[in-house]
Parts: sequence; C-alpha cells; structure tokens
Amino acid sequence: GAVVSQHPSWVICKSGTSVKIECRSLDFQATTMFWYRQFPKQSLMLMATSNEGSKATYEQGVEKDKFLINHASLTLSTLTVTSAHPEDSSFYICSASNPSQGFYEQYFGPGTRLTVT
Amino acid sequence: KQEVTQIPAALSVPEGENLVLNCSFTDSAIYNLQWFRQDPGKGLTSLLLIQSSQREQTSGRLNASLDKSSGRSTLYIAASQPGDSATYLCAVKEYGNKLVFGAGTILRVKS
Repeated sequence: GAVVSQHPSWVICKSGTSVKIECRSLDFQATTMFWYRQFPKQSLMLMATSNEGSKATYEQGVEKDKFLINHASLTLSTLTVTSAHPEDSSFYICSASNPSQGFYEQYFGPGTRLTVT
Repeated sequence: KQEVTQIPAALSVPEGENLVLNCSFTDSAIYNLQWFRQDPGKGLTSLLLIQSSQREQTSGRLNASLDKSSGRSTLYIAASQPGDSATYLCAVKEYGNKLVFGAGTILRVKS
C-alpha cells in the first residue's frame, strides 16, 4: 500500500517552454502532497505543500508564479514549471500523505528528471 | 530554522564492515526522525522511522537511534554488503508535517 507515482520520469524541454509533472497516489487518497527539488549531490528542498482543494503554500524563495501547483483531486497533484530556464533543470520529487486515514508518513514518488536546454 | 547535518558526507568501506552514519539537528522540537535510502536517479525508500518518544528502531541489519535532547541520530548498518551502496538521507519531521532533510551520506561498499 501507499504507492505514489510520477509522470513523466524524465523530460527534456527547451528554454522558455512550460512543462507539467504529475504526482498520483495510487492506492490511497492524499489530502496533502508535497513537492521537493533536488539539485545534483544536494539534498531535497521542500518547494511547496498543497492540500486538496486549496491553494498551495510555497516555501520562502520559491516563485509561485513560476512553479504552479494544482491539487484538484485526492489522488492527483500537478507541478507546472512555466517559462523554464536551464537553471530549473533538477530532480523533482513529490510525496503524499493523509493523516486522517492513518497515512501519517510522507510516501515518495520515484521522481522526475527535468532538463531544460 | 531547523538545520539537519549528516556526517560523513561520503564513506567507502569493504564488504562485511559494520558502519555508523550520523545525523544531527538544531531544533529538538521534532515529531519524528526518518532515515531514507536513495539510489542514483531514483526516489526515496523509507528505512526506519523513529517517533520523538522512542529511542531506537531496528529493521534487519539496520538500527537507528534517536537522542532528541542532544539533537542526534545514528544509523547503524551491520555486516555491510555491496547492495547497501546508496545515498542515505536523514530527515526530521517538524510539527506541521514538514520534513527537513540533511544533505546525505554517500555510501560505497566494496566487494
């Protein structure tokens, strides 16, 4: 149980374009989803927290207009990187939880490798 | 602001050795502490989770301890194997459900 998937697993896009990453909880309803970014040889940094049906809460220094997060259903959250630049190239990982159903831990997806050329 | 530090940053050991990875955190007001494993280019696999009221957790060859008052945790790996080679991440959960990660220890077990 508690499986989280991400799609795509890797994506290459051109500078200036937008790219959408999906995060799905496959066997439980995720009231809360988290988006992290990981640069090479660095740890995970929380970008934002999203609760189903409400606006995401962004961490300090993360541009909410650049990283659009939508959590419209209990099993799906999306992260859209708008007007991507090479410095946005990173490994993006999502996690999901639902404390009210006993899923107190954050269950992590396999990650999405974004390369902006 | 919570800061999590992991020492050493990298470790290379021969197969069969017992080893200890260290994690320290600056704010003891945590909900729990979790150790993860990350293989190159992959997501995270949860290894052990210690609640703030607990002192240690064990799973197979892994044992994790927590000293909340001093802000320290250790992950002990017994009889290391080449398959243990990965990056090990420590994360503390703050009240509010946020995880703060350390930078990780890159472990290489040589056969």
